[in-house]
Amino acid sequence: QAVVTQEPSLTVSPGGTVTLTCGSSTGAVTSNHYPYWFQQKPGQAPRTLIYDTTNKHSWTPARFSGSLLGGKAALTLSGAQPEDEAEYYCLLSYSGARSVVFGGGTKLTVL
Amino acid sequence: QVQLQESGPGLVRPSETLSLTCTVSDGSISSYYWSWIRQPPGKGLEWIGYIHYSGSTSYNPSLKSRVTISVDTSKTQFSLKLSSVTAADTAVYYCARLQDVWGQGTTVIVSS
Repeated sequence: QAVVTQEPSLTVSPGGTVTLTCGSSTGAVTSNHYPYWFQQKPGQAPRTLIYDTTNKHSWTPARFSGSLLGGKAALTLSGAQPEDEAEYYCLLSYSGARSVVFGGGTKLTVL
Repeated sequence: QVQLQESGPGLVRPSETLSLTCTVSDGSISSYYWSWIRQPPGKGLEWIGYIHYSGSTSYNPSLKSRVTISVDTSKTQFSLKLSSVTAADTAVYYCARLQDVWGQGTTVIVSS
């Protein structure tokens, strides 16, 4: 089974910009991995921020964006807010979405 | 907006079968893939498997021998069965339509 890797932790200053990445042990991440990004705050269920690499929901703050960057999926937060402090998980699909793997999560601190 | 609600026992004995149900609130279980995910205490998310409303399934290879996911379209529910549980299966279990909707999660403890 593939391994999906994320930075264990990142820190961003309020108002700053940070990029979280999501890599695959099988090689470059492409749109065919249909990358998803989820946000989870302590004691809460995850919520989906980004799906299929770049698509947002109505509840996704405009300051979040998804992309492919340097062979990885990326989640960029531009203009960080204190409420963005959370754990972020990516998810990749393999074999035509027959298999799905979560990354280990990135703990984002806004400080 | 569709809502999901997990239900089932909060305590399961070792070696027994964990059974959970997810109810889809507005009845829109047709189309889409419906997933089960779990999160052990203090750890990350683990995909368990998914089912399409047609009944086709896909499971995490590490759990495949113990997992069964089924769907009951008449009841707008889908279910998870995990057999031969151990303490390592203690976790918060979520049902989700990964693209947009998650249940609130239900805690399952495996203990005698």
